[in-house]
Amino acid sequence: AQRVTQPEKLLSVFKGAPVELKCNYSYSGSPELFWYVQYSRQRLQLLLRHISRESIKGFTADLNKGETSFHLKKPFAQEEDSAMYYCALVMNRDDKIIFGKGTRLHILP
Amino acid sequence: EAQVTQNPRYLITVTGKKLTVTCSQNMNHEYMSWYRQDPGLGLRQIYYSMNVEVTDKGDVPEGYKVSRKEKRNFPLILESPSPNQTSLYFCASSKQGLRGSPLHFGNGTRLTVT
Repeated sequence: AQRVTQPEKLLSVFKGAPVELKCNYSYSGSPELFWYVQYSRQRLQLLLRHISRESIKGFTADLNKGETSFHLKKPFAQEEDSAMYYCALVMNRDDKIIFGKGTRLHILP
Repeated sequence: EAQVTQNPRYLITVTGKKLTVTCSQNMNHEYMSWYRQDPGLGLRQIYYSMNVEVTDKGDVPEGYKVSRKEKRNFPLILESPSPNQTSLYFCASSKQGLRGSPLHFGNGTRLTVT
């Protein structure tokens, strides 16, 4: 069955330290992966997608098909990175999307 | 301003009393969808629509109905709400399906069913 796993419910990181939010997926087809973020009192919004291979707000994520992972990384955490992060998988056979359960990132001063 | 608008933001109702949560987008998007967000379960897709008069079930469609009579509107209908439908609901749209096209979310509707 298709699944997106974010193993950490909560991740606390000191400001200036590196951040890695883990995402693993299970899907036999050709997936498209996204990271969405929800800042306090704001709408859920797209952070980045694997097909763009871009860096947004200093975050990057590389799709590793061998390890079926799409971890989100940032070399130096900032206080404004505190938010809820969701990894999401779009399947290629239809327009369904599966979200992980989310990881709350808390940046400590 | 381009956005997805949901109403109401908060709703408290009783078991069995039919309700509708409206969703409207002004971006001429073809794809619209509904999600519920529950603690420990994340976001789960309820229904989605690729275009007018085309709707499909997501992962958790039981107890919900949707309709897509116009491109801009995608209401979520609970014919007979039950307490297990107490949740935070999000509507979202994207330009053309989900592949390569990001979702734009509404502000959410917090529903309580007593």
